[in-house]
Amino acid sequence: IAGITQAPTSQILAAGRRMTLRCTQDMRHNAMYWYRQDLGLGLRLIHYSNTAGTTGKGEVPDGYSVSRANTDDFPLTLASAVPSQTSVYFCASSLYYNTGELFFGEGSRLTVL
Amino acid sequence: GESVGLHLPTLSVQEGDNSIINCAYSNSASDYFIWYKQESGKGPQFIIDIRSNMDKRQGQRVTVLLNKTVKHLSLQIAATQPGDSAVYFCAERSGYSTLTFGKGTMLLVSP
Repeated sequence: IAGITQAPTSQILAAGRRMTLRCTQDMRHNAMYWYRQDLGLGLRLIHYSNTAGTTGKGEVPDGYSVSRANTDDFPLTLASAVPSQTSVYFCASSLYYNTGELFFGEGSRLTVL
Repeated sequence: GESVGLHLPTLSVQEGDNSIINCAYSNSASDYFIWYKQESGKGPQFIIDIRSNMDKRQGQRVTVLLNKTVKHLSLQIAATQPGDSAVYFCAERSGYSTLTFGKGTMLLVSP
């Protein structure tokens, strides 16, 4: 069982380009999340989804969008990347939205030049 | 919103010693707390959780202590091993809000 799969693992991107980070889970979890991790700032929530078909904004949603067309997939899109979006992005899932135990992917390292 | 913080950014211990990682939280409404471990190059992994109606919870080699009076959370690791070297995050939640993570403490275990 793979758990959470993220792609790509690493990407260098020119500023202004559009980028989609992919996230797939095979645990049939209802809730999914996108976090960014920056040194000294910890993990900050970008967007989340309680269940398929619904999404919500986290702490730092500006410049990002998400969709949740089905249970398994939760892509994160940067419409026009900026250097401040250079970060490590983690996708996570939990059985229910209010469950504390999150299962994280291995991360996607994005560098915007 | 209110934030979760850590007292020590780096903790160095000898193998076999007990480790204590501390976390201060400021949201008095927080009712659920979790510790995560993140090894280099990997995503965070759940270690243990505790609800606000408890002050202690034990797992395998780990104990979480909660002091609501001073809004303090700690993670104790018994007989620390090199494999315990990682960054440890505390996280808190109040009601149906999403988790808020602290900035992390790096634990370094030397043989």
